[in-house]
Order: sequence, then C-alpha cells, then structure tokens
Amino acid sequence: NAGVTQTPKFQVLKTGQSMTLQCAQDMNHEYMSWYRQDPGMGLRLIHYSVGAGITDQGEVPNGYNVSRSTTEDFPLRLLSAAPSQTSVYFCASSYGRHSNQPQHFGDGTRLSIL
Amino acid sequence: AQKVTQAQTEISVVEKEDVTLDCVYETRDTTYYLFWYKQPPSGELVFLIRRNSFDEQNEISGRYSWNFQKSTSSFNFTITASQVVDSAVYFCALSEATGTASKLTFGTGTRLQVTL
Repeated sequence: NAGVTQTPKFQVLKTGQSMTLQCAQDMNHEYMSWYRQDPGMGLRLIHYSVGAGITDQGEVPNGYNVSRSTTEDFPLRLLSAAPSQTSVYFCASSYGRHSNQPQHFGDGTRLSIL
Repeated sequence: AQKVTQAQTEISVVEKEDVTLDCVYETRDTTYYLFWYKQPPSGELVFLIRRNSFDEQNEISGRYSWNFQKSTSSFNFTITASQVVDSAVYFCALSEATGTASKLTFGTGTRLQVTL
C-alpha cells in the first residue's frame, strides 16, 4: 500500500531555479491537493484538482503551477524559486470530490531556497 | 471565509495526565465537516477523526475523545492518561460543503509534549 508518494523528500534550490515536486497516489482518488506548511501558520492550500484535466487555485497559489494529466499524478511546479517558498510541502488525496472525505497525506517534501 | 483557531500553541504534560486541545471554528455554512490530524515528530500527517455539522454526539476511541459543540463552535480533543507516544503537533481542520471540492482550512496546530 503505497498511498500518496512524494518525491523528493528534501531539496535545496538557489533563488531563480525551477523545479517540480512530484506526487503520485495509487488509490484511484479523484481529489488531489497541495499544501505548504510554515512554522506557526498551519497548512495552507496551494492548488487542488477534482479530476484529470481540472485544477483550481487555493489560498496561496502565486509562484506555483500545477497540472493533472492523469488520475494518479499531480505535480507542483515552482517556476522561479524564491526564499519565501522555503517550506514543507504536502500532497494529499481523497476519495471523490466531496468535502466530507478525509484526506490522505504524503510524507512531505522539505524545500529550502537559498 | 472559514477560519480555525487553536489558541494553545504548546502544551506540556507529564505522562498519565489528561490533556484537552481546544479548537474553535468559524463558518457561514450550515453543513460542514471538522477533522483532527496528528503530526508526530517524523513529520507525516495522520487522520484521527471526522465529524459532520449535524452530529453533535461526542465520540470516544480508546484514550481519545472529542467534544463537538455547535453552540460554541468548538471541537475539542481530549487525551486521557497521556503517553510519551502522544507527543506530536495536532491540527484541527474545517471543510465546508459548498461547491464540489474539499478544501481544508487548518488551524495553526498545538504542539503536545508528554514527558516521563
């Protein structure tokens, strides 16, 4: 049972570099999302998707792009990394689109921007 | 806009003490869902419980219990006879039923430290 798999687990970037955080789930979940976790701020929603080909913005979308070409994968792209994007990133998925479903989280990606 | 407040930033208790983690929420929806997640030192997020806005019954699961009160917009979490393994950050989260997508709003978390 892999669940939600995030890669890499750790990454250090220089300001201005681009990178893609990978997220894959094997539970055939319709809904997937990305959150960032910063000290004292809890988790904040970046982008989410209710199915292949459908994405939408969350609370803090600026500086990030997403796409959902398959049900399984939901990559998060940083176009031009900034120090303010230093954070721990979590990908999550849930069964169906409904808000009553608990989300299953990956183990996180710790990203540092120098 | 929905909001979740966890006023307790950090709590320290001695093992076997009972501890209650507070969660207060704001929402304009009449239908919504509340969740608690645990984040142990290893960093992963573990789902603990879900409660919908129509079900105010308290719930007990082993040493864990939850008290949901709509009148005070609170969804508090109590650990009875705490253990060192309970040390973690606990997040309360709210999901509204509007629209077609689940968007969780998290509180800022309460760090629980249980010592011997």
